[in-house]
Amino acid sequence: EAGVAQSPRYKIIEKRQSVAFWCNPISGHATLYWYQQILGQGPKLLIQFQNNGVVDDSQLPKDRFSAERLKGVDSTLKIQPAKLEDSAVYLCASSLGGGPHNEQFFGPGTRLTVL
Amino acid sequence: KQEVTQIPAALSVPEGENLVLNCSFTDSAIYNLQWFRQDPGKGLTSLLLIQSSQREQTSGRLNASLDKSSGRSTLYIAASQPGDSATYLCAVRPSTDKLIFGTGTRLQVFP
Repeated sequence: EAGVAQSPRYKIIEKRQSVAFWCNPISGHATLYWYQQILGQGPKLLIQFQNNGVVDDSQLPKDRFSAERLKGVDSTLKIQPAKLEDSAVYLCASSLGGGPHNEQFFGPGTRLTVL
Repeated sequence: KQEVTQIPAALSVPEGENLVLNCSFTDSAIYNLQWFRQDPGKGLTSLLLIQSSQREQTSGRLNASLDKSSGRSTLYIAASQPGDSATYLCAVRPSTDKLIFGTGTRLQVFP
């Protein structure tokens, strides 16, 4: 079974530029998560989708971050404009469904450096 | 607000030692607790998941315990190996399916 795929793996941009990350979840997984992991910290949930609907985006900086999951499969996370403090690893995870009994499976992440 | 703390932040040990990694959380109202391993440049790999009704879980050389009332969990690694070198993260899950992570323990096992 293929795991969660993410691209690109690395991205370097200058502040005020825009960037987009892509995630392909495990086939059949209805729930998709985006996490931000700043160096030295644990991952923090940015947004959770159930199929193509948003379940939780309470910690998403909506003035600069946006995410979509068209057709309930792949997802993109965009930052526009980027700030220095956005430098982090962005992790995508998926699970069969919502609810605490469903295990989340993580992709390799995209490491973003903002100069 | 749930907060998760992991001690120590970093650990360096010789091969063969038995290790204990600690995780504490402030709100005991959790559904389950999960331990992950993170290797550089890679995603998170789930190691053990303990439901709130359980006291411990074991997988190979790993044993995780949970004391929900005191807000603590420990990950015990027996007979450590260089291949165990990684960052270990614990995460708690409240009644929702959101995972709340600790800051991790960076482990290095040298030959």
